[in-house]
Amino acid sequence: ETGVTQSPTHLIKTRGQQVTLRCSSQSGHNTVSWYQQALGQGPQFIFQYYREEENGRGNFPPRFSGLQFPNYSSELNVNALELDDSALYLCASSLIGGREGPAYNEQFFGPGTRLTVL
Amino acid sequence: AQSVTQLGSHVSVSEGALVLLRCNYSSSVPPYLFWYVQYPNQGLQLLLKYTSAATLVKGINGFEAEFKKSETSFHLTKPSAHMSDAAEYFCAVRYSGGYQKVTFGTGTKLQVIP
Repeated sequence: ETGVTQSPTHLIKTRGQQVTLRCSSQSGHNTVSWYQQALGQGPQFIFQYYREEENGRGNFPPRFSGLQFPNYSSELNVNALELDDSALYLCASSLIGGREGPAYNEQFFGPGTRLTVL
Repeated sequence: AQSVTQLGSHVSVSEGALVLLRCNYSSSVPPYLFWYVQYPNQGLQLLLKYTSAATLVKGINGFEAEFKKSETSFHLTKPSAHMSDAAEYFCAVRYSGGYQKVTFGTGTKLQVIP
Protein backbone atom coordinates (compact mmCIF):
# COMPACT_ATOMS: atom_id res chain seq x y z
CA GLU A 1 0.00 0.00 0.00
CA THR A 2 1.57 3.27 -1.13
CA GLY A 3 1.03 6.40 0.90
CA VAL A 4 0.08 9.90 -0.19
CA THR A 5 2.77 11.62 -2.21
CA GLN A 6 3.06 15.25 -3.26
CA SER A 7 5.23 17.05 -5.76
CA PRO A 8 7.23 19.16 -5.83
CA THR A 9 8.52 19.33 -2.25
CA HIS A 10 9.56 22.96 -2.55
CA LEU A 11 8.69 25.69 -5.01
CA ILE A 12 9.60 29.34 -5.38
CA LYS A 13 7.43 31.65 -7.49
CA THR A 14 7.03 35.37 -7.93
CA ARG A 15 3.93 37.42 -7.36
CA GLY A 16 1.43 37.20 -10.21
CA GLN A 17 2.63 33.83 -11.47
CA GLN A 18 0.60 30.63 -11.57
CA VAL A 19 1.48 27.35 -9.85
CA THR A 20 0.33 23.73 -10.04
CA LEU A 21 0.82 21.33 -7.16
CA ARG A 22 0.28 17.59 -7.49
CA CYS A 23 -0.94 14.86 -5.20
CA SER A 24 -1.17 11.11 -5.60
CA SER A 25 -3.73 9.58 -3.29
CA GLN A 26 -3.26 6.43 -1.27
CA SER A 27 -4.15 3.21 -3.03
CA GLY A 28 -7.88 2.46 -2.71
CA HIS A 29 -8.88 6.03 -1.83
CA ASN A 30 -11.35 8.06 -3.93
CA THR A 31 -11.27 11.45 -2.24
CA VAL A 32 -8.62 14.16 -2.02
CA SER A 33 -8.71 17.22 0.22
CA TRP A 34 -6.33 20.17 0.03
CA TYR A 35 -5.24 22.33 2.93
CA GLN A 36 -3.12 25.48 3.25
CA GLN A 37 -0.91 25.78 6.31
CA ALA A 38 0.62 29.20 6.79
CA LEU A 39 3.64 29.51 9.05
CA GLY A 40 2.65 29.09 12.68
CA GLN A 41 -0.96 28.25 11.85
CA GLY A 42 -3.11 25.17 11.65
CA PRO A 43 -4.09 23.81 8.25
CA GLN A 44 -7.01 25.57 6.56
CA PHE A 45 -9.38 23.59 4.33
CA ILE A 46 -9.26 24.71 0.68
CA PHE A 47 -11.51 22.16 -1.06
CA GLN A 48 -12.23 18.50 -1.53
CA TYR A 49 -12.60 16.39 -4.64
CA TYR A 50 -14.65 13.23 -4.83
CA ARG A 51 -15.05 11.24 -8.04
CA GLU A 52 -13.51 14.04 -10.06
CA GLU A 53 -15.88 16.75 -8.81
CA GLU A 54 -15.47 19.45 -6.19
CA ASN A 55 -17.30 18.19 -3.12
CA GLY A 56 -16.89 21.11 -0.75
CA ARG A 57 -14.91 24.33 -0.50
CA GLY A 58 -13.47 26.47 2.25
CA ASN A 59 -13.09 30.23 2.33
CA PHE A 60 -10.65 30.58 -0.56
CA PRO A 61 -11.04 32.75 -3.69
CA PRO A 62 -11.72 31.30 -7.14
CA ARG A 63 -8.09 31.68 -8.17
CA PHE A 64 -7.60 28.51 -6.14
CA SER A 65 -8.87 25.68 -8.32
CA GLY A 66 -8.38 21.98 -8.58
CA LEU A 67 -8.77 18.83 -10.57
CA GLN A 68 -9.12 15.19 -9.77
CA PHE A 69 -8.24 12.56 -12.35
CA PRO A 70 -9.76 9.11 -13.00
CA ASN A 71 -6.94 7.51 -11.00
CA TYR A 72 -7.96 9.83 -8.09
CA SER A 73 -4.76 11.83 -8.16
CA SER A 74 -5.28 15.56 -7.92
CA GLU A 75 -3.89 18.97 -8.78
CA LEU A 76 -4.17 22.27 -6.97
CA ASN A 77 -3.81 25.33 -9.19
CA VAL A 78 -3.30 28.82 -7.89
CA ASN A 79 -3.44 31.78 -10.28
CA ALA A 80 -2.19 35.32 -9.76
CA LEU A 81 -0.03 34.38 -6.81
CA GLU A 82 0.10 36.75 -3.86
CA LEU A 83 2.71 37.01 -1.13
CA ASP A 84 0.20 35.62 1.40
CA ASP A 85 -0.05 32.42 -0.62
CA SER A 86 3.32 31.41 0.78
CA ALA A 87 2.55 28.32 2.86
CA LEU A 88 2.79 24.58 3.17
CA TYR A 89 0.12 22.96 1.00
CA LEU A 90 -1.08 19.62 2.28
CA CYS A 91 -3.01 17.00 0.43
CA ALA A 92 -5.02 14.32 2.23
CA SER A 93 -6.68 11.28 0.73
CA SER A 94 -9.55 9.24 2.13
CA LEU A 95 -12.27 6.82 1.14
CA ILE A 96 -15.89 7.93 1.02
CA GLY A 97 -18.34 5.07 0.94
CA GLY A 98 -16.06 2.57 2.58
CA ARG A 99 -17.43 -0.50 4.24
CA GLU A 100 -16.64 0.82 7.71
CA GLY A 101 -18.83 3.87 7.28
CA PRO A 102 -18.18 7.62 7.51
CA ALA A 103 -16.79 7.50 11.05
CA TYR A 104 -13.70 5.74 9.80
CA ASN A 105 -13.04 7.88 6.75
CA GLU A 106 -9.64 8.82 8.07
CA GLN A 107 -7.69 11.32 6.06
CA PHE A 108 -4.09 10.38 5.32
CA PHE A 109 -1.81 13.34 4.74
CA GLY A 110 1.08 13.73 2.37
CA PRO A 111 4.33 15.49 3.33
CA GLY A 112 3.26 18.74 1.72
CA THR A 113 4.63 21.22 -0.81
CA ARG A 114 6.33 24.30 0.56
CA LEU A 115 5.44 27.26 -1.68
CA THR A 116 7.32 30.53 -1.35
CA VAL A 117 6.03 33.58 -3.23
CA LEU A 118 8.50 36.43 -3.65
CA ALA B 1 -19.59 26.83 12.40
CA GLN B 2 -17.37 24.14 13.76
CA SER B 3 -14.20 25.22 15.54
CA VAL B 4 -11.59 24.05 17.98
CA THR B 5 -9.55 26.04 20.45
CA GLN B 6 -6.16 24.91 21.66
CA LEU B 7 -5.06 26.56 24.87
CA GLY B 8 -1.36 27.36 24.85
CA SER B 9 0.63 27.75 21.67
CA HIS B 10 3.76 26.49 23.44
CA VAL B 11 4.03 23.91 26.22
CA SER B 12 7.28 22.84 27.88
CA VAL B 13 7.63 19.71 30.00
CA SER B 14 10.57 17.84 31.46
CA GLU B 15 11.43 14.44 30.11
CA GLY B 16 9.41 11.88 32.08
CA ALA B 17 6.76 14.39 33.15
CA LEU B 18 3.07 14.35 32.30
CA VAL B 19 2.06 15.85 28.98
CA LEU B 20 -1.29 17.67 28.87
CA LEU B 21 -2.38 19.51 25.74
CA ARG B 22 -5.77 21.18 25.88
CA CYS B 23 -8.47 21.29 23.24
CA ASN B 24 -12.03 22.58 23.37
CA TYR B 25 -14.52 22.35 20.54
CA SER B 26 -17.68 24.19 19.66
CA SER B 27 -20.55 22.02 18.62
CA SER B 28 -24.28 21.62 18.76
CA VAL B 29 -24.05 18.04 17.52
CA PRO B 30 -21.63 15.28 18.43
CA PRO B 31 -18.45 15.69 16.40
CA TYR B 32 -15.62 13.47 15.38
CA LEU B 33 -12.44 14.66 17.07
CA PHE B 34 -8.82 14.05 16.17
CA TRP B 35 -5.34 14.77 17.38
CA TYR B 36 -2.57 15.02 14.81
CA VAL B 37 1.18 15.41 15.28
CA GLN B 38 3.48 17.25 12.91
CA TYR B 39 7.26 16.97 13.02
CA PRO B 40 9.36 19.71 11.39
CA ASN B 41 9.08 19.78 7.61
CA GLN B 42 6.66 16.86 7.57
CA GLY B 43 2.97 16.28 7.00
CA LEU B 44 0.41 15.38 9.63
CA GLN B 45 0.20 12.02 11.35
CA LEU B 46 -2.96 10.89 13.12
CA LEU B 47 -2.37 10.18 16.82
CA LEU B 48 -5.93 9.21 17.76
CA LYS B 49 -9.58 9.83 16.96
CA TYR B 50 -12.91 9.96 18.77
CA THR B 51 -15.84 8.63 16.78
CA SER B 52 -18.61 8.35 19.42
CA ALA B 53 -17.53 4.99 20.77
CA ALA B 54 -15.51 4.92 24.02
CA THR B 55 -14.93 8.35 25.56
CA LEU B 56 -11.34 7.47 26.50
CA VAL B 57 -9.38 7.01 23.32
CA LYS B 58 -5.93 5.46 23.17
CA GLY B 59 -3.60 6.36 20.34
CA ILE B 60 -0.11 5.73 19.15
CA ASN B 61 3.11 6.47 21.03
CA GLY B 62 1.39 6.22 24.44
CA PHE B 63 -0.97 9.16 23.94
CA GLU B 64 -4.61 9.14 24.96
CA ALA B 65 -7.48 11.62 25.04
CA GLU B 66 -10.78 11.80 26.86
CA PHE B 67 -13.96 13.15 25.29
CA LYS B 68 -15.95 15.15 27.83
CA LYS B 69 -19.23 16.33 26.39
CA SER B 70 -20.17 18.42 29.44
CA GLU B 71 -16.94 20.39 29.09
CA THR B 72 -16.77 20.21 25.25
CA SER B 73 -13.16 19.15 25.69
CA PHE B 74 -10.83 16.59 24.17
CA HIS B 75 -7.52 17.03 25.98
CA LEU B 76 -4.48 14.99 24.96
CA THR B 77 -2.32 13.35 27.62
CA LYS B 78 0.73 11.15 27.96
CA PRO B 79 1.94 9.97 31.37
CA SER B 80 5.66 10.33 30.67
CA ALA B 81 7.16 12.63 28.04
CA HIS B 82 9.95 11.41 25.81
CA MET B 83 12.37 13.57 23.86
CA SER B 84 10.93 12.20 20.63
CA ASP B 85 7.53 13.71 21.54
CA ALA B 86 8.82 17.21 20.75
CA ALA B 87 6.64 18.32 17.84
CA GLU B 88 3.57 20.38 17.05
CA TYR B 89 0.18 18.95 17.93
CA PHE B 90 -3.11 19.85 16.29
CA CYS B 91 -6.60 19.17 17.54
CA ALA B 92 -9.21 18.86 14.80
CA VAL B 93 -12.95 18.38 14.41
CA ARG B 94 -15.20 16.99 11.71
CA TYR B 95 -18.92 16.51 11.65
CA SER B 96 -20.75 13.51 10.28
CA GLY B 97 -22.53 13.87 7.00
CA GLY B 98 -21.69 16.04 4.07
CA TYR B 99 -18.16 16.32 2.88
CA GLN B 100 -15.17 15.57 5.00
CA LYS B 101 -14.00 19.06 5.92
CA VAL B 102 -11.68 18.91 8.89
CA THR B 103 -11.24 22.06 10.95
CA PHE B 104 -7.94 22.36 12.77
CA GLY B 105 -6.89 24.29 15.82
CA THR B 106 -3.91 26.64 15.72
CA GLY B 107 -1.58 24.05 17.17
CA THR B 108 0.49 23.57 20.33
CA LYS B 109 4.24 23.24 20.07
CA LEU B 110 5.53 20.78 22.66
CA GLN B 111 9.06 21.19 23.95
CA VAL B 112 10.60 18.39 26.02
CA ILE B 113 13.42 19.44 28.29
CA PRO B 114 16.06 16.81 29.12
